[in-house]
Amino acid sequence: AQKVTQAQTEISVVEKEDVTLDCVYETRDTTYYLFWYKQPPSGELVFLIRRNSFDEQNEISGRYSWNFQKSTSSFNFTITASQVVDSAVYFCALSEAYGNNRLAFGKGNQVVVIP
Amino acid sequence: GAVVSQHPSRVICKSGTSVKIECRSLDFQATTMFWYRQFPKQSLMLMATSNEGSKATYEQGVEKDKFLINHASLTLSTLTVTSAHPEDSSFYICSAREGRGRSTDTQYFGPGTRLTVL
Repeated sequence: AQKVTQAQTEISVVEKEDVTLDCVYETRDTTYYLFWYKQPPSGELVFLIRRNSFDEQNEISGRYSWNFQKSTSSFNFTITASQVVDSAVYFCALSEAYGNNRLAFGKGNQVVVIP
Repeated sequence: GAVVSQHPSRVICKSGTSVKIECRSLDFQATTMFWYRQFPKQSLMLMATSNEGSKATYEQGVEKDKFLINHASLTLSTLTVTSAHPEDSSFYICSAREGRGRSTDTQYFGPGTRLTVL
């Protein structure tokens, strides 16, 4: 069974601070995909990144960066120099590589950026 | 990027009525669509997986007679909540998988439908 754990429920930061969201996953598959989605107050999930299990390179996209550590089954997400627009719920998700690619979501991290 | 729409965005209905929610992939064909529900301050819970031209696969605990899913074309899936009750009030989100079933496909999500049953 697949499981995604996002331990921090709500995180408040002051604008321009960095914030790191932890994601730990469990799977028996050797091939799988990891995702991060952003859900702003409007409700729509916005795709941020997909990483396959064979690609352990870290990635940076603007103020966002991701650290994939297969040895610790973690896929952490850092927002650098946070802005008020970053206030949202962030979900980490895991997908099986075969079949219907069903997504297992973590509980989400509510990020509140205080101006 | 791929765009998925949902209609309506918000619906209020009386207890006992049925409500249909549409999910469309606007600029790609989706052989597979997924339906989720999300309660306030909680995560997304997968309800069912819908493959075009075949019956939906429901997750454990989801009543298939209560939540009717139809995926008649490569760009449209519908979820009908039959005989809705207040406990069915929730945020319903669909997603569509771009591609034709490859392992590299990504799910793109619709904006969600907020259902309130009075």
